Amino acid sequence: SQQGEEDPQALSIQEGENATMNCSYKTSINNLQWYRQNSGRGLVHLILIRSNEREKHSGRLRVTLDTSKKSSSLLITASRAADTASYFCATDADRTDKLIFGTGTRLQVFP
Amino acid sequence: GAGVSQSPRYKVAKRGQDVALRCDPISGHVSLFWYQQALGQGPEFLTYFQNEAQLDKSGLPSDRFFAERPEGSVSTLKIQRTQQEDSAVYLCASSLGGARDYGYTFGSGTRLTVV
Repeated sequence: SQQGEEDPQALSIQEGENATMNCSYKTSINNLQWYRQNSGRGLVHLILIRSNEREKHSGRLRVTLDTSKKSSSLLITASRAADTASYFCATDADRTDKLIFGTGTRLQVFP
Repeated sequence: GAGVSQSPRYKVAKRGQDVALRCDPISGHVSLFWYQQALGQGPEFLTYFQNEAQLDKSGLPSDRFFAERPEGSVSTLKIQRTQQEDSAVYLCASSLGGARDYGYTFGSGTRLTVV
């Protein structure tokens, strides 16, 4: 079963615009991670935010975490065509070493 | 190697055939995870190892699925008597430690098609 659900399921924007994706999860967590998956490829780790952090930045990525609402958001600023991919949030459900992934947001960035 | 290597990249199996999928993790990575990803869905957890010990196999869909990592390095996921519903991408990931502190490094996956 999926722990998280991403919203929206699909997002289409023009190059240069910002893209925001949201993730909701169900159980308490130790950390939340975001991954990107290009078509037909494996997932690539983007950023990890711990449960005691509220915001984290990495390059053009900004992640927020609200544990009271059990939700996170991923913002990609100044998007590029190369950002076209599916994005997944993942949590360490049950505080174990395994990750449980959400359903993903498919992002399309048009040149 | 520099990354997680999975083979074969693609596998077509006739229904009822047994298949074996291989994962070669990053050298020194203690944890190894197997996931199943259906088309348009997120990866679903199957099983994971810490060194050679299989700590959690709660995600294996049936007793036709079996995974091993005998020497704490390379892992094999075996599916016996394949069924059409087994068609999916099987992803392997490794991690230096647990998911709590480290992200996963994924391989490119094996796309299994059962006909």
